[in-house]
Amino acid sequence: AQKVTQAQTEISVVEKEDVTLDCVYETRDTTYYLFWYKQPPSGELVFLIRRNSFDEQNEISGRYSWNFQKSTSSFNFTITASQVVDSAVYFCALSEAHGNYGQNFVFGPGTRLSVLP
Amino acid sequence: KAGVTQTPRYLIKTRGQQVTLSCSPISGHRSVSWYQQTPGQGLQFLFEYFSETQRNKGNFPGRFSGRQFSNSRSEMNVSTLELGDSALYLCASSSRAGHQPQHFGDGTRLSIL
Repeated sequence: AQKVTQAQTEISVVEKEDVTLDCVYETRDTTYYLFWYKQPPSGELVFLIRRNSFDEQNEISGRYSWNFQKSTSSFNFTITASQVVDSAVYFCALSEAHGNYGQNFVFGPGTRLSVLP
Repeated sequence: KAGVTQTPRYLIKTRGQQVTLSCSPISGHRSVSWYQQTPGQGLQFLFEYFSETQRNKGNFPGRFSGRQFSNSRSEMNVSTLELGDSALYLCASSSRAGHQPQHFGDGTRLSIL
């Protein structure tokens, strides 16, 4: 069965600090997809990144970067020089392949990030 | 481009009643998924529809059902409401089925009294 663990329930940092959010997943599939979503106080989930299981390249997008390591089943998310607007709950999610269609997302419990001014 | 629209935003019901929630996906998106979000259980997948067919279903009792119309709009129905059904119900759409980034609506907050 698929499972996503985000061990950090809450993190507080001071503005401009770097912060890494951990995500560990479990799956028996060899083909799967990993995602990060952000849920700001307004409530709407915002897609940040998708990675498939065959692409272990790290990715950087502005202040955001992601480190995908299949050997440790981890897909960690780092925010560099954090800002107050980064305060949100961040969810890591896993989607396994189910034939040609259909997706069954499993979300982690989320990490609440508070960036203090 | 308009985002995912969910109606109503807020709903108050009593135990035993039934409720129908509506979701209009982003134009051109044919996949619609539903999620339940509660403080205790987090985000849980309910089901996914693609081209009017349910493609996947999470571990929820049969009281939770859904459907999708030919214009890709989707409805979710919960019958015989229980206190534990109080939650934020989120709808997400994607361009096609199969591991695509999902675009979420603002959700419907359902409170059961």
